[in-house]
Amino acid sequence: GAVVSQHPSRVICKSGTSVKIECRSLDFQATTMFWYRQFPKKSLMLMATSNEGSKATYEQGVEKDKFLINHASLTLSTLTVTSAHPEDSSFYICSATGWRDNEQFFGPGTRLTVL
Amino acid sequence: RKEVEQDPGPFNVPEGATVAFNCTYSNSASQSFFWYRQDCRKEPKLLMSVYSSGNEDGRFTAQLNRASQYISLLIRDSKLSDSATYLCVVNTDTGFQKLVFGTGTRLLVSP
Repeated sequence: GAVVSQHPSRVICKSGTSVKIECRSLDFQATTMFWYRQFPKKSLMLMATSNEGSKATYEQGVEKDKFLINHASLTLSTLTVTSAHPEDSSFYICSATGWRDNEQFFGPGTRLTVL
Repeated sequence: RKEVEQDPGPFNVPEGATVAFNCTYSNSASQSFFWYRQDCRKEPKLLMSVYSSGNEDGRFTAQLNRASQYISLLIRDSKLSDSATYLCVVNTDTGFQKLVFGTGTRLLVSP
């Protein structure tokens, strides 16, 4: 099956700093990438959908100025959490679909801890 | 009301047992349905799609009842390796673009 990687797998940062998470499709071209967030014992919540070369579409309640998404190529999307605060600590997971659009392939996730 | 509702469990069963999970969804226009498996601190992985006619994959059987907006997953002959959280997932869009996840049902299979 298709492989999606994320980097870093874990990050700990101080409050007020910005953190960038990369999501890459390794063996296919990802026309669409998705960013999710999962708090402990809660469901995955879609944050935004991004198509290569265009602006991301954010879900209601997700601040686009705080969570900057860039999808500059068909194999790479980045999520930058700007001025992170402890309440942003969560598990961030990306996924991607290719041309056939028949399944979302998930990355292994990035665990963010903001002190 | 949540879009996708599941009993969080945990379901504690012995090896070899049969266990069933249920899920209800609120959006009657939902297009497609899935069960995902998520291990602790890992990403979700697609277990199987769910069709109105019912479908089976080895020890796993999934069923969809569109009239009742209800989805089920049956696991027969449980293995220790089946211990995980099972996520009911509904696609509210055409294609694979809008997945809505339930909170998951935790299964613990003991020796």
